[in-house]
Amino acid sequence: KAGVTQTPRYLIKTRGQQVTLSCSPISGHRSVSWYQQTPGQGLQFLFEYFSETQRNKGNFPGRFSGRQFSNSRSEMNVSTLELGDSALYLCASSLSQAGVPYEQYFGPGTRLTVT
Amino acid sequence: AQKITQTQPGMFVQEKEAVTLDCTYDTSDQSYGLFWYKQPSSGEMIFLIYQGSYDEQNATEGRYSLNFQKARKSANLVISASQLGDSAMYFCAMRENGLNFGNEKLTFGTGTRLTIIP
Repeated sequence: KAGVTQTPRYLIKTRGQQVTLSCSPISGHRSVSWYQQTPGQGLQFLFEYFSETQRNKGNFPGRFSGRQFSNSRSEMNVSTLELGDSALYLCASSLSQAGVPYEQYFGPGTRLTVT
Repeated sequence: AQKITQTQPGMFVQEKEAVTLDCTYDTSDQSYGLFWYKQPSSGEMIFLIYQGSYDEQNATEGRYSLNFQKARKSANLVISASQLGDSAMYFCAMRENGLNFGNEKLTFGTGTRLTIIP
């Protein structure tokens, strides 16, 4: 079974631009979560999507948004990029069924550099 | 307050020795899940082991075991017979209200960088 894939792997953008990151979950997984990892703040939860609906949201500004498509693929968008948005963005997928503690499987991440 | 605390920023261990990575957590939920992930320098987070708050036995997965002490709110990862490939960052994470459908949010600790010395 193919793992979680993320594209692109590396991205360099300029302040003020916007960026879209993509995540394809493991086949059959309906939940997709996004995390931001920085040296200063560590790993922080951005949001989670399930069946095209955002179920959970972390404490990030509205510049960070996402969506999920009917095939469970997810995209994350960051508008008006700031230097502090430079980070590794990790996507994770899960079966997410009630009463069962399924683990989340992570993709390789997209490393975003904002200059 | 930190929900997940990993007090060891870095550890050096001789190859083939066992190593314990510490993790303490804070939650008022009765149902929660604890996870350990490994992150090599490539960046991908690799799932290692899971412990549910209601699990009576400590979880084990190959060379990995989880020393779960609920009253002390600790969930230490034990790696037996360490190998050079075990060198990586290790993160402890918690999912509160762990079995509740609709909550996939993981809260991570700051991680421990483990270096295995040949």
